[in-house]
Amino acid sequence: GNSVTQMEGPVTLSEEAFLTINCTYTATGYPSLFWYVQYPGEGLQLLLKATKADDKGSNKGFEATYRKETTSFHLEKGSVQVSDSAVYFCALSESNAGNMLTFGGGTRLMVKP
Amino acid sequence: GAGVSQSPRYKVAKRGQDVALRCDPISGHVSLFWYQQALGQGPEFLTYFQNEAQLDKSGLPSDRFFAERPEGSVSTLKIQRTQQEDSAVYLCASSSAGRAATQYFGPGTRLLVL
Repeated sequence: GNSVTQMEGPVTLSEEAFLTINCTYTATGYPSLFWYVQYPGEGLQLLLKATKADDKGSNKGFEATYRKETTSFHLEKGSVQVSDSAVYFCALSESNAGNMLTFGGGTRLMVKP
Repeated sequence: GAGVSQSPRYKVAKRGQDVALRCDPISGHVSLFWYQQALGQGPEFLTYFQNEAQLDKSGLPSDRFFAERPEGSVSTLKIQRTQQEDSAVYLCASSSAGRAATQYFGPGTRLLVL
């Protein structure tokens, strides 16, 4: 079956530091890959996505590249802000499986001023 | 525009009670998903509808869990004879049709079974 593994948190960084959150996946087919974010007190929202190999998803300064050869989709940001403090979830879906999302366990990011 | 809404936002039930959780998807979205999120974990798939048809219910943990979407819009997740292990946040998401369509999530219903 499908699965997503992401680095455990919490990840604590100072403002303007570089962020990497690792994500690897196992899939039976050719999945689409997603990063969702959950800010404190809010619901899950899509941060970025990529639907084929070598695609780069980007949004709000965050980027992730779909690496089929390493089955990875690591999230990066060059300079984090306090407002980026949240829980980040890596996920995949497959169209032949109804597009349901398979999530990783989540990584809590705390950014200190 | 209006996003996905869920009600109630919080529900406390005594063990053995039945509960019903409601989801109002984004208007026009054909796909609707239910997920269960335990504390400190990622959401896990429960079931999926395309319009009124329940196409996948493989994630429902037991036959005490039942979901419906009779008119292809509002959906209800019902849990019969609740158990303590049912305590979790129940998330609803909706999307348009198509590969990798973005799923829009509601705020969730936090269920606590005592």
